[in-house]
Amino acid sequence: QGQLQESGPGLVKPSETLSLKCTFSGNSLTNYYWSWIRQPPGKGLEWLGYIYAGGGSNYNPSLESRVAMSIDESQTQFSLSLSSVTAADTAIYYCVGRLRGTFGLWGQGTLVIVSS
Amino acid sequence: QMTQSPSSLSASVGDRVTITCRASQPISIYLNWYQQKPGKAPKLLISDASNLQNRDLSRFIGSGFGTDFTLTINNLQPEDFATYFCQHHYEIPWTFGQGTRVEMK
Repeated sequence: QGQLQESGPGLVKPSETLSLKCTFSGNSLTNYYWSWIRQPPGKGLEWLGYIYAGGGSNYNPSLESRVAMSIDESQTQFSLSLSSVTAADTAIYYCVGRLRGTFGLWGQGTLVIVSS
Repeated sequence: QMTQSPSSLSASVGDRVTITCRASQPISIYLNWYQQKPGKAPKLLISDASNLQNRDLSRFIGSGFGTDFTLTINNLQPEDFATYFCQHHYEIPWTFGQGTRVEMK
């Protein structure tokens, strides 16, 4: 299996949109459900949503109005957008591959700080 | 909602440690356990309540069904000091427990 690598700005201003990209080093994005999970520093884990090859998606209802995910199969990449961010959105953001009900493949995570 | 307890515990090498996770509604066996070390992403330990992902880690035992689940670590090793999270995948949204930090006594 391949590896995952998150990329994107580490600092976002309040009320703006957080945008992150995840690149999979494997050959194809099929077979997995691709999720984003975040973790505020020193705190627990929150699943944000998933997208799969073909573009189907499902988001955490608590964030559904602000979250959007997209997928680019030709580039083996998928992306996260989180709008209208506040300080509460400061967290380490992980891109994760889900297979057979488990989050088995994790990126290293990227810290995003929301601050003016 | 997943309620994990305790939030932290202190133990020594060689101890047996037990962490519990309670679901707010029955979730059958759809419960996974993860281990996270400082500065690292979580790592899957056990899937579907009792399926150990790495046979070399046989000291980790998962059990439970419905609403009550347990992760037991037998003969605690130095590399086991970490934070452990449970996570259900019964229905959307998939949620995690708050975590249990296992510290060295």
